[in-house]
Amino acid sequence: DAGVTQSPTHLIKTRGQQVTLRCSPKSGHDTVSWYQQALGQGPQFIFQYYEEEERQRGNFPDRFSGHQFPNYSSELNVNALLLGDSALYLCASSWWGSTDTQYFGPGTRLTVL
Amino acid sequence: GESVGLHLPTLSVQEGDNSIINCAYSNSASDYFIWYKQESGKGPQFIIDIRSNMDKRQGQRVTVLLNKTVKHLSLQIAATQPGDSAVYFCAENPKGGSQGNLIFGKGTKLSVKP
Repeated sequence: DAGVTQSPTHLIKTRGQQVTLRCSPKSGHDTVSWYQQALGQGPQFIFQYYEEEERQRGNFPDRFSGHQFPNYSSELNVNALLLGDSALYLCASSWWGSTDTQYFGPGTRLTVL
Repeated sequence: GESVGLHLPTLSVQEGDNSIINCAYSNSASDYFIWYKQESGKGPQFIIDIRSNMDKRQGQRVTVLLNKTVKHLSLQIAATQPGDSAVYFCAENPKGGSQGNLIFGKGTKLSVKP
């Protein structure tokens, strides 16, 4: 049973560039949430996708956008990268109707120079 | 790998001792709480959860205690092992489960001395 997978593992970009991160949920899950984790901090919620729609959004600017595909996988896009966007980006999956919690992938480490 | 433990409260224990990690949560309306373990360079790993209609729940070597009166959560690890060394986060979900956002507390870095 595959867990949550994310790609790439590491990424280095420069200011102003755009980046796309990818996530495949755990088998049987249909909901994907994205979190940003700065060094030394707890994860911060970005948004959540279910049925290919954004269902809830945290306090992040419109430069952060996402997409969910019919196979439940998801992408996180960040435009006009800033130095402060450097962080570990985590994807978590769950089953929408469940009382169970969200399960995290290994993350993508983004460095903006 | 990178460290997620910089500037975090640290708990240092001897191998074989019991560990207690504490957490204060923010939303009195939250009814679902989770503990996650995060090792360096990895994503958070689910340990145990508890709902607000309980005040204690036990897993394998771990126990979570919930005190809703003072909005406090604790994680007890029995017979702590070197493999338990990690950063531990408590999280709350005001929506109670798979939906909605997890709100994470400040992590605690657990170091186990052999």
